[in-house]
Amino acid sequence: AQSVTQLGSHVSVSEGALVLLRCNYSSSVPPYLFWYVQYPNQGLQLLLKYTTGATLVKGINGFEAEFKKSETSFHLTKPSAHMSDAAEYFCAVRNQGAQKLVFGQGTRLTINP
Amino acid sequence: DVKVTQSSRYLVKRTGEKVFLECVQDMDHENMFWYRQDPGLGLRLIYFSYDVKMKEKGDIPEGYSVSREKKERFSLILESASTNQTSMYLCASSFVVSNTEAFFGQGTRLTVV
Repeated sequence: AQSVTQLGSHVSVSEGALVLLRCNYSSSVPPYLFWYVQYPNQGLQLLLKYTTGATLVKGINGFEAEFKKSETSFHLTKPSAHMSDAAEYFCAVRNQGAQKLVFGQGTRLTINP
Repeated sequence: DVKVTQSSRYLVKRTGEKVFLECVQDMDHENMFWYRQDPGLGLRLIYFSYDVKMKEKGDIPEGYSVSREKKERFSLILESASTNQTSMYLCASSFVVSNTEAFFGQGTRLTVV
């Protein structure tokens, strides 16, 4: 069965520093890949997705992610963190032809002033 | 603006009560989902529905049932609420085409006392 691993349940960076949140999936057939953000007491909001084409995907709020098939990874980055980026981030995958999203455990991002 | 609307943001119920959580989407999505979110456990799928009156168990269906009488509405039912069902509940919907994302409601934080 497909599984998603987010390395690090909690990541802390300084304001202005690089943000790197890691995501790996398990299947040999590349799935469709998604990153969501959740602010406190809110639902999940789509940041970006990879379905086909260019492997570097740009999303909202200055985030981007790169699909690397050889590494079965879809890591999320942002060059310069803002205080407003503090939230929980979820990586999710959807297998081709499947209906369900499979989520990682989530990574809580803290931004230090 | 697309919308998934959950009927309550916060609910407090007593042990043994029957609890209904309602979700409505306005995007004509075929799929609807109920997730449960707990700290450190990420999002776990309770049930999903891919069509009116159709449902499939997710990863943690015990203690829950669902109803989908109309395409836009998906209800989660706790037949006899217990304290271990205290959690954040998230509804989502998506198209059946697998390269599309899911859209989430704002969540219902349920406390069972």
